[in-house]
Amino acid sequence: QSVLTQPPSVSGAPGQRVTISCTGSSSNIGAGYDVHWYQQLPGTAPKLLIYGNSNRPSGVPDRFSGSKSGTSASLAITGLQAEDEADYYCQSYDSSLSGSSVFGGGTKLTVL
Amino acid sequence: QLQLQESGPGLVKPSETLSLTCTVSGGSISSSSYYWGWIRQPPGKGLEWIGSIYYSGSTYYNPSLKSRVTISVDTSKNQFSLKLSSVTAADTAVYYCARRRDYDALWDVWGQGTTVTVSS
Repeated sequence: QSVLTQPPSVSGAPGQRVTISCTGSSSNIGAGYDVHWYQQLPGTAPKLLIYGNSNRPSGVPDRFSGSKSGTSASLAITGLQAEDEADYYCQSYDSSLSGSSVFGGGTKLTVL
Repeated sequence: QLQLQESGPGLVKPSETLSLTCTVSGGSISSSSYYWGWIRQPPGKGLEWIGSIYYSGSTYYNPSLKSRVTISVDTSKNQFSLKLSSVTAADTAVYYCARRRDYDALWDVWGQGTTVTVSS
């Protein structure tokens, strides 16, 4: 069981908007630690999608956005495209375990 | 451009020790702004942090694996390594090495991953 909780799956039609939630606790997201999001295409390493809760690295389309509030964070994808079909993971730091990185269990996005 | 490359046996027998090395190129492992670590992904499952190391040798391990994990660094070779002892089939996974930023715990550079199967 992952420290950060994500829905196992979400889906949407091309052009639609979807959101993926990431719920933590007072020792990670709620403690103020940054949340980062990664996209993983089949058979490849995770790729950084959002860092520092809401920042996009160079090259990531502005269709992807992140937010954080309290003990939760969200990833929003607008204008869904077929190429967005992938697994998405949130990640943060947890102060209850020194030096710990914690990941969400991952969410499979299906573009209908 | 910084690159990380995992290397090591792809097949390990049950009860033996899994050993992997990550070679860092295009940058120094001795940077004070980063940690280096290992993350694994069992088939069809999510990402699991194994542990991290600072260039000085300070280590941090996932409590669920701590009794079996050793991570070390060789700054002269710009490499860091993972040893996981007493492996079982549950340790079968893709193992990634990655760089973690100090101030926000972001894993910003990843290796391509290497598949390790535990089987007799």
